[in-house]
Amino acid sequence: GEDVEQSLFLSVREGDSSVINCTYTDSSSTYLYWYKQEPGAGLQLLTYIFSNMDMKQDQRLTVLLNKKDKHLSLRIADTQTGDSAIYFCAERKRGKLIFGQGTELSVKP
Amino acid sequence: EPEVTQTPSHQVTQMGQEVILRCVPISNHLYFYWYRQILGQKVEFLVSFYNNEISEKSEIFDDQFSVERPDGSNFTLKIRSTKLEDSAMYFCASSDGLKDRSNQPQHFGDGTRLSIL
Repeated sequence: GEDVEQSLFLSVREGDSSVINCTYTDSSSTYLYWYKQEPGAGLQLLTYIFSNMDMKQDQRLTVLLNKKDKHLSLRIADTQTGDSAIYFCAERKRGKLIFGQGTELSVKP
Repeated sequence: EPEVTQTPSHQVTQMGQEVILRCVPISNHLYFYWYRQILGQKVEFLVSFYNNEISEKSEIFDDQFSVERPDGSNFTLKIRSTKLEDSAMYFCASSDGLKDRSNQPQHFGDGTRLSIL
């Protein structure tokens, strides 16, 4: 089946870490992605991870992949108000992306 | 940094009319995609396009829809005889075709909001 699931909302305080979780169903997916969508804007690629990796770090972003459990997470360190947005995880199946429903991150000062 | 650009940002059309959504992919990219997001729902794949032909399409992409690369820079999505349920945000994306496409991420435009009245 093709299904990617995320929790809908996450609220954190400025300066805290945020962890956004995602589960997917297709074990044959080769790449998994995180996109960010700010209000009125498109989908901005944040980072991605190949399925033979279990961690990738890029500045404040850390992606963890548990392939056995088909679980992907995005950790944002030192979350800022500018990080408030909707975050989508997506798995790549052949040429197309299959998206989760997005997690709305709210950062309170 | 190169961007995918989409026009118009908002299109309002009467039901039954034809609409063309336009996209300019990143200039050295060779793989092009359309996705849509109905309000409150997930982003859904519509179609992928490479070498002047459709490489994959979803169940949503029926005979009402068509895509075209009319020149070296534009990529269009045409919807014939629009229906109310076609109202959605339509996203264009492109990816680098110079390398193995399976590991090249897709870059998205800001979308066209299509409203069918």
